[in-house]
Amino acid sequence: KQEVTQIPAALSVPEGENLVLNCSFTDSAIYNLQWFRQDPGKGLTSLLLIQSSQREQTSGRLNASLDKSSGRSTLYIAASQPGDSATYLCAVRFTNAGGTSYGKLTFGQGTILTVHP
Amino acid sequence: AAGVIQSPRHLIKEKRETATLKCYPIPRHDTVYWYQQGPGQDPQFLISFYEKMQSDKGSIPDRFSAQQFSDYHSELNMSSLELGDSALYFCASGRIRTPLPYEQYFGPGTRLTVT
Repeated sequence: KQEVTQIPAALSVPEGENLVLNCSFTDSAIYNLQWFRQDPGKGLTSLLLIQSSQREQTSGRLNASLDKSSGRSTLYIAASQPGDSATYLCAVRFTNAGGTSYGKLTFGQGTILTVHP
Repeated sequence: AAGVIQSPRHLIKEKRETATLKCYPIPRHDTVYWYQQGPGQDPQFLISFYEKMQSDKGSIPDRFSAQQFSDYHSELNMSSLELGDSALYFCASGRIRTPLPYEQYFGPGTRLTVT
């Protein structure tokens, strides 16, 4: 079964700290992987998308890496700010046996991040 | 830039009633996805459509049905509502036939509360 797991479930850090969120997936046959941010009761904001052929993507203070062979992705947040407090979700688009994909995303349970001043 | 539009944003229904959620994808997107996110849970895939045909099916109850219309908007119909159907329902759209990295764009969600 294709599953996505995120650790830790929750993380609390002081402002200014660099931090890493982890995502693991059970099947290395992936098409791409997306990291999302979700504020309480709100929608999903796409942060970064990594294609299966890529190793990392960067956007501002965010850097996402992908190691397909080990089934892992990390989201690195530099110089964290209180405004970064949110739930971060990792979602994988798996491929099927034919190497194509229907496009649905399989989500991890998320990491609740709190950055305190 | 245009985004995915969902309506209504909030909906309150009683048990055993029906509800219809609507989704308007980004223009020129050919695929629509529906997800359900229960309280404190991650989004779960329900169903998807590509060029108005059902392309994949996930954990969608038999009480739910969905379709994509000729103008590419999609509707999720929910009947015999149960308390457990209370959730945030997301619609996402994407374009399969594109040379760019395929990305799903999510709407703001419809919060359904069943009382």
